[in-house]
Amino acid sequence: KNQVEQSPQSLIILEGKNCTLQCNYTVSPFSNLRWYKQDTGRGPVSLTIMTFSENTKSNGRYTATLDADTKQSSLHITASQLSDSASYICVVSASTYNTDKLIFGTGTRLQVFP
Amino acid sequence: DAGVTQSPTHLIKTRGQQVTLRCSPKSGHDTVSWYQQALGQGPQFIFQYYEEEERQRGNFPDRFSGHQFPNYSSELNVNALLLGDSALYLCASSLRNYGYTFGSGTRLTVV
Repeated sequence: KNQVEQSPQSLIILEGKNCTLQCNYTVSPFSNLRWYKQDTGRGPVSLTIMTFSENTKSNGRYTATLDADTKQSSLHITASQLSDSASYICVVSASTYNTDKLIFGTGTRLQVFP
Repeated sequence: DAGVTQSPTHLIKTRGQQVTLRCSPKSGHDTVSWYQQALGQGPQFIFQYYEEEERQRGNFPDRFSGHQFPNYSSELNVNALLLGDSALYLCASSLRNYGYTFGSGTRLTVV
């Protein structure tokens, strides 16, 4: 069964600190892995997308890693800001020759306090 | 270059009623996917439309139906609304299976 698990479920950090969110997946056939940021009541916004051959990708203060052998990914946030408070969703794409299915994790709820 | 637009942003309906949600895809995208996201949960795939046909469908009852128009815009229809249908409904557009972009969603409340 295709599955994406994220940890921790929620996280509280102080402004300026770093944090790392984890994503483990069992998805086949693997196509790519995406991290999204979702503010409450809003649609997800893409942060990074990585294919099988990529093991790290950065977007400003966000850096995602991918280990395709262990089927794990992480999202590292550097020097957190209050605006980083949101849910972070790991999404893995399973593709066949004519279909593409996105498998969503349940997200990590991050709260950044001053 | 407009992103994905959804309307309305918020909606309140009564149990048993019918609702239609609308989605305009990002310019250049030809595929529209719909998701239901309950509070505190990840999005659940409802269905995907390409070339005006439903190409994939998730585990949702027939009360959920959709349509895609020649201009690639799409509608999601839900009949006989239940309290459990209350959720954020997200539309994502893509060029075939590339470049998924989400709209801001429609918050549906069933009372």
